[in-house]
Amino acid sequence: DTAVSQTPKYLVTQMGNDKSIKCEQNLGHDTMYWYKQDSKKFLKIMFSYNNKELIINETVPNRFSPKSPDKAHLNLHINSLELGDSAVYFCASSRSGTSGGFGETQYFGPGTRLLVL
Amino acid sequence: QQQVKQSPQSLIVQKGGISIINCAYENTAFDYFPWYQQFPGKGPALLIAIRPDVSEKKEGRFTISFNKSAKQFSLHIMDSQPGDSATYFCAANPGTYKYIFGTGTRLKVLA
Repeated sequence: DTAVSQTPKYLVTQMGNDKSIKCEQNLGHDTMYWYKQDSKKFLKIMFSYNNKELIINETVPNRFSPKSPDKAHLNLHINSLELGDSAVYFCASSRSGTSGGFGETQYFGPGTRLLVL
Repeated sequence: QQQVKQSPQSLIVQKGGISIINCAYENTAFDYFPWYQQFPGKGPALLIAIRPDVSEKKEGRFTISFNKSAKQFSLHIMDSQPGDSATYFCAANPGTYKYIFGTGTRLKVLA
């Protein structure tokens, strides 16, 4: 069984469209994350959720709206897609609980490759 | 202060050689330093991690050396193999629910 899964794997769309990426983890973790990896491989955190609540929003444009319907799922909706949104988006999870994710292994999904034309 | 600087950007090593990747940080609040390995088309995966109360941690061919006073840490891959060819990221945990990643090092091990 895949620990952290994402759908779709590839997403090609036109500028201005709205799209969603879904993430699910079956590890029983409390904390989930969204990362953006650009063409230079730079990996930057976007959001952290703990027990369905937003903990960290790293100055991400409000066109990006994460939603966590339950602890096992964290989806990312992107409105009005721009060329600069083209990247690989990774979902990750960690056990957390009272540690706040400190000193914990993060388990990454396989990524969603988004290309905005 | 929230940065982790990683070097080199890319590295080519002969099979059997030693690969060394360096990272430096400024924020003394960072208290956990993992290294992640990423193969093409895959998500990063934890390779090895260290806390600043030890100066070295070894797991198989992979060793982290940590210099707390210099605020630097490095990954050594001994007897490098072609299967080690990947992108390596150092990271630091500056607080709850947050990791800062280095810029990555693309390692290529020649057969």
